[in-house]
Amino acid sequence: DGGITQSPKYLFRKEGQNVTLSCEQNLNHDAMYWYRQDPGQGLRLIYYSQIVNDFQKGDIAEGYSVSREKKESFPLTVTSAQKNPTAFYLCASRISGTSSSGANVLTFGAGSRLTVL
Amino acid sequence: AQKVTQAQTEISVVEKEDVTLDCVYETRDTTYYLFWYKQPPSGELVFLIRRNSFDEQNEISGRYSWNFQKSTSSFNFTITASQVVDSAVYFCALEGGSSNTGKLIFGQGTTLQVKP
Repeated sequence: DGGITQSPKYLFRKEGQNVTLSCEQNLNHDAMYWYRQDPGQGLRLIYYSQIVNDFQKGDIAEGYSVSREKKESFPLTVTSAQKNPTAFYLCASRISGTSSSGANVLTFGAGSRLTVL
Repeated sequence: AQKVTQAQTEISVVEKEDVTLDCVYETRDTTYYLFWYKQPPSGELVFLIRRNSFDEQNEISGRYSWNFQKSTSSFNFTITASQVVDSAVYFCALEGGSSNTGKLIFGQGTTLQVKP
């Protein structure tokens, strides 16, 4: 079955360490996204990529970095510069452009929960 | 600026009750898209419905129904005869039509607890 795989599901990090969250999709989607979820704040966009080798900052990109070397993969690195990294991270993807019904729908992975010790 | 507000942080109902989740949005785009997603305890967001700004027709899907009113900038979601499996966090989201980037603006989410 096609879908999005995020790993690891749970991750613990010591302060000052960089960590990388993996996101892989086999949906042949062009665009991929990283969202951060905090209690009571909904989801906020960190980075997105609409095509291989290109990506744009979202609303809260500071302290994060991404790469898009392959269509299927969009890893997120949480750097030591991120002041409050403890959160639930969700990766999503979709086909670019619009369908006859309008904007294409985002498909989400199951998420990665990062805790800083 | 675009914004989505879900004023209800938490709702608790008893099974078989009807429940309405409110969503109010702000946008200057004339073309835009509204979504509802469900997040069960497993964490993955599940798509429920998409509505574009030109289609104000209400929609019913089984026990779920959606009421879109442009005049009040609202896109409310009603669950009829709620069940324990409906317990989840529900998100309303907005995408402006001018950008076509897939950037969704999410509301804060409403946690629905359905008690047996």
